Amino acid sequence: EADIYQTPRYLVIGTGKKITLECSQTMGHDKMYWYQQDPGMELHLIHYSYGVNSTEKGDLSSESTVSRIRTEHFPLTLESARPSHTSQYLCASEDSPYSDTQYFGPGTRLTVL
Amino acid sequence: AQSVTQLGSHVSVSEGALVLLRCNYSSSVPPYLFWYVQYPNQGLQLLLKYTSAATLVKGINGFEAEFKKSETSFHLTKPSAHMSDAAEYFCAVKGGSSSASKIIFGSGTRLSIRP
Repeated sequence: EADIYQTPRYLVIGTGKKITLECSQTMGHDKMYWYQQDPGMELHLIHYSYGVNSTEKGDLSSESTVSRIRTEHFPLTLESARPSHTSQYLCASEDSPYSDTQYFGPGTRLTVL
Repeated sequence: AQSVTQLGSHVSVSEGALVLLRCNYSSSVPPYLFWYVQYPNQGLQLLLKYTSAATLVKGINGFEAEFKKSETSFHLTKPSAHMSDAAEYFCAVKGGSSSASKIIFGSGTRLSIRP
């Protein structure tokens, strides 16, 4: 059973607010990912990390930023939220190199008014 | 480079009928292939994966998939659909065992089950 957590599950905020989406895993995985997913649509990789102090931008350009100060924690921050940021954000960690399986959190559904 | 194509954004079957969700991949190296399922308001959960061992892979909830190199396919099947199978299904490909290779997800197929 994978132990990866995301908070909050749902967030409704106004334009211009700064927000941080939390993601934590207790499995000791080095690799972690953030995906953006619109309803009924594919996943787009926006950030990933292969370990502490390692972060990279993904395939989809995003105005968000991430940090990886601890192995278990991979927060995503939006400095100034806009309606175009409304989406679902999924965090995942990967059991690499042992199984290459990604374990997903339940997601944060963000609505920016 | 890797890519994956899921044929059919929406599939509807009757309860008890065969489920077939199609996935074709492209990979410049021997691929690892995955099927994930996503229930409403949840994250993705691994159904099964192929990592160059047996070509017929059995997963959870009665699903299985067969790796066919000649057809570059990895279709997902289940002999008899259940109402609880209604969900979004994602096929994914990874460039083999390379630690630098990322998983690429398909656009998803929504499975509906008719009573």
